Amino acid sequence: EVQLVESGGGLVQPGGSLKLSCAASGFTFSGSAIHWVRQASGKGLEWVGRIKSKAADYATAYAASLKDRFTISRDDTKNTAYLQMNSLKDEDTAEYYCTRSHVDNGWAYDFWGQGTLVTVSS
Amino acid sequence: EIVLTQSPGTLSLCPGERATLSCRASQSFSRRFLAWYQQKPGQAPRLLIYGASSRATDIPDRFSGSGSGTDFTLTISRLEPEDFAVYYCQQYDDLPFTFGPGTEVAIK
Repeated sequence: EVQLVESGGGLVQPGGSLKLSCAASGFTFSGSAIHWVRQASGKGLEWVGRIKSKAADYATAYAASLKDRFTISRDDTKNTAYLQMNSLKDEDTAEYYCTRSHVDNGWAYDFWGQGTLVTVSS
Repeated sequence: EIVLTQSPGTLSLCPGERATLSCRASQSFSRRFLAWYQQKPGQAPRLLIYGASSRATDIPDRFSGSGSGTDFTLTISRLEPEDFAVYYCQQYDDLPFTFGPGTEVAIK
């Protein structure tokens, strides 16, 4: 069974940092791209960024407004992806989901984690 | 950046009725990289359609997708009680990938 489990969310002050984890199981993690998507309460989905597999040189991409503050990485030996968030702002408050894309579903996001809540507040 | 616009914002229908949801893009992209997701309150999104018209695993055939270029449509042929939710389109052809703002399908 494919599973993605996010962790690391919580309350952080403006200007602070937080590192989210996404632990994967049930599929070949090393061959999959991992994406992060966030959703503020009552709002729509916002693509944060993605990291490709080793075969694609672990290429990363980010939403334009986030790329200077957010960094995605992965450790294939631990089947885990990470989202490092720096200089956090109030507007970064959201549920953060990790999701994978796979060729079997045309590279769309076929499995999602349950999300982890990040609250930026003083 | 490709901006996706979804209409209507809210669709109020009765169970058994047909739902037609629209997703329009600010510029053309490959239909291979258009997906639809369903999201219910308190849950993560679920993939319904990829490649504009291919159903994901275990998605019932009352869900269908069509379109190309800048205009895409999700159709639910006969609404079941579990279909009342928010639906998002997404393009993953051109970086940054983007989602539409969503269409809520509400019970009338």
